[in-house]
Amino acid sequence: QQQVKQSPQSLIVQKGGISIINCAYENTAFDYFPWYQQFPGKGPALLIAIRPDVSEKKEGRFTISFNKSAKQFSLHIMDSQPGDSATYFCAASMWETSGSRLTFGEGTQLTVNP
Amino acid sequence: SAVISQKPSRDICQRGTSLTIQCQVDSQVTMMFWYRQQPGQSLTLIATANQGSEATYESGFVIDKFPISRPNLTFSTLTVSNMSPEDSSIYLCSVDSPRGAEAFFGQGTRLTVV
Repeated sequence: QQQVKQSPQSLIVQKGGISIINCAYENTAFDYFPWYQQFPGKGPALLIAIRPDVSEKKEGRFTISFNKSAKQFSLHIMDSQPGDSATYFCAASMWETSGSRLTFGEGTQLTVNP
Repeated sequence: SAVISQKPSRDICQRGTSLTIQCQVDSQVTMMFWYRQQPGQSLTLIATANQGSEATYESGFVIDKFPISRPNLTFSTLTVSNMSPEDSSIYLCSVDSPRGAEAFFGQGTRLTVV
């Protein structure tokens, strides 16, 4: 099964709050899990990515938490800002065999209110 | 990161015609990928393009509809043939970074078929 399930579909957060987006996957052969941020009219921009040999990766206000046994990973945006309002996509690939042949989640539309 | 340029950035086309989208990368990359993003939807992989070999298409996408060229390690084209309004989407190319550690996207081509 190649699907990646993402939730919630939409999220509204107050400025300064924490935004949490969750993804779940079925294929245990996936070995690369990136998150992308997309603004209207733009291509997806890589935010942060993780490999399954670590449980957490932090870059600035963005953190990926990875639970290999549960086949779940999540994006946490700390101190959310109005400029973070965008659509976020999780994705997965079997990098070792297929490179960045990505399977995407459905996307989460994040709105951060001032 | 790799810098990816797509042309055209947008186009409005008549049904029954064809459009060729170009993807230029500022460094040599082994694998290039073409995705489709229908309005308000997630990204779906169309095909993988490797230099010197035929493109590999995903289920639901065929070469006659989406012919792809990959003449060298920095360039690829995707043609959307015999277009219908259902082909109205954003088409994006993606590459693995030169280090092979991350995946990056172009800005996309917004296609409207009337």
